[in-house]
Amino acid sequence: NAGVTQTPKFQVLKTGQSMTLQCAQDMNHNSMYWYRQDPGMGLRLIYYSASEGTTDKGEVPNGYNVSRLNKREFSLRLESAAPSQTSVYFCASSEQSSGNTIYFGEGSWLTVV
Amino acid sequence: SQQGEEDPQALSIQEGENATMNCSYKTSINNLQWYRQNSGRGLVHLILIRSNEREKHSGRLRVTLDTSKKSSSLLITASRAADTASYFCATTGTASKLTFGTGTRLQVTL
Repeated sequence: NAGVTQTPKFQVLKTGQSMTLQCAQDMNHNSMYWYRQDPGMGLRLIYYSASEGTTDKGEVPNGYNVSRLNKREFSLRLESAAPSQTSVYFCASSEQSSGNTIYFGEGSWLTVV
Repeated sequence: SQQGEEDPQALSIQEGENATMNCSYKTSINNLQWYRQNSGRGLVHLILIRSNEREKHSGRLRVTLDTSKKSSSLLITASRAADTASYFCATTGTASKLTFGTGTRLQVTL
């Protein structure tokens, strides 16, 4: 039981490049999330998927797209990376979206130069 | 925008002492959770307290919730070096989304 697995762990991008962060969970959770964490700040929600087939914007969705590929997988795409998107990205999942315990992946460190 | 704000931002104590962290929030909540984050790792859930509860215990952790003051506290008793981490409160409101505070960095020295 691996929990929440996200890849890659580290990535350096040039401004304007695109990339996709992959995330998978093996806990049969309905809801999945993408957060970003910046120095001195808490986690900010980028997008979430309350259930398979649905996605919704969070607090900071601009510059990102997501795909809930199936119940297990939820990917985050940066179409044209900007230096402001340098951050640590966390994927997470929960049984339901209504205030349940959230289980986090180990994070993906992204640097845009 | 952050719903929760932790206080203090940083806390340094010696092993064996108690550590208290506070969280204040702005709007009505359904529940409040505390998470721990070790350096370079993801967040790990510690404890959840519902809006109709006032106190909850889990091992060396004690959480209180005062909905009239819109605040919560996390007490770690008999702290250990392994408790060194950042601690975040997270609230769930009517929108059912979990919103995190900015965290308290706890340093426990030998």
